[in-house]
Amino acid sequence: DAGITQSPRHKVTETGTPVTLRCHQTENHRYMYWYRQDPGHGLRLIHYSYGVKDTDKGEVSDGYSVSRSKTEDFLLTLESATSSQTSVYFCAISETSGGSYEQYFGPGTRLTVT
Amino acid sequence: SQQGEEDPQALSIQEGENATMNCSYKTSINNLQWYRQNSGRGLVHLILIRSNEREKHSGRLRVTLDTSKKSSSLLITASRAADTASYFCATAATGANSKLTFGKGITLSVRP
Repeated sequence: DAGITQSPRHKVTETGTPVTLRCHQTENHRYMYWYRQDPGHGLRLIHYSYGVKDTDKGEVSDGYSVSRSKTEDFLLTLESATSSQTSVYFCAISETSGGSYEQYFGPGTRLTVT
Repeated sequence: SQQGEEDPQALSIQEGENATMNCSYKTSINNLQWYRQNSGRGLVHLILIRSNEREKHSGRLRVTLDTSKKSSSLLITASRAADTASYFCATAATGANSKLTFGKGITLSVRP
């Protein structure tokens, strides 16, 4: 497996609380991605990064923010969690342009917002 | 919105049989990729086929791409119980640079 870890792996939080998910890679890959996976929707891109401090929005970015201060870490923050953000979140990395090369996925974080 | 749509949504076969899964998409693509996801795990890349390729093989996997029909198929030959998983196609649209768009997935069950 590619060197990608996500933390925490499971989290239960209450509506309105802030939550930060962390993705850490040891591959020195340039591109990093956050997806959410929900039944009936497959994987949807939330945000992605193409370098340190370079990020862009994906398909479902509302309610989420990201930061990347180091190559190896990509943080996803839910400023005020809502029940609709209950999901499984996956981080992925790619060596270069993610559309040309395969993406490697982390193990996922299961987030429940009550 | 989803770019890739897989068909069927679910497939159940006997061990040793071949499994064929299809993916259709809507816009021009740079490449198309297939991924596998075992229950409770992250996705694993299986194979990538570029828009100028028509067929590609990797072990027991065979992928075809028909850009005129905007469709792809993934064939798993001589299936095994360990092939039981969800399979996703993902497309890299022309000009989309670093983003992939995933379909909703196909659930494959291989009965021993």
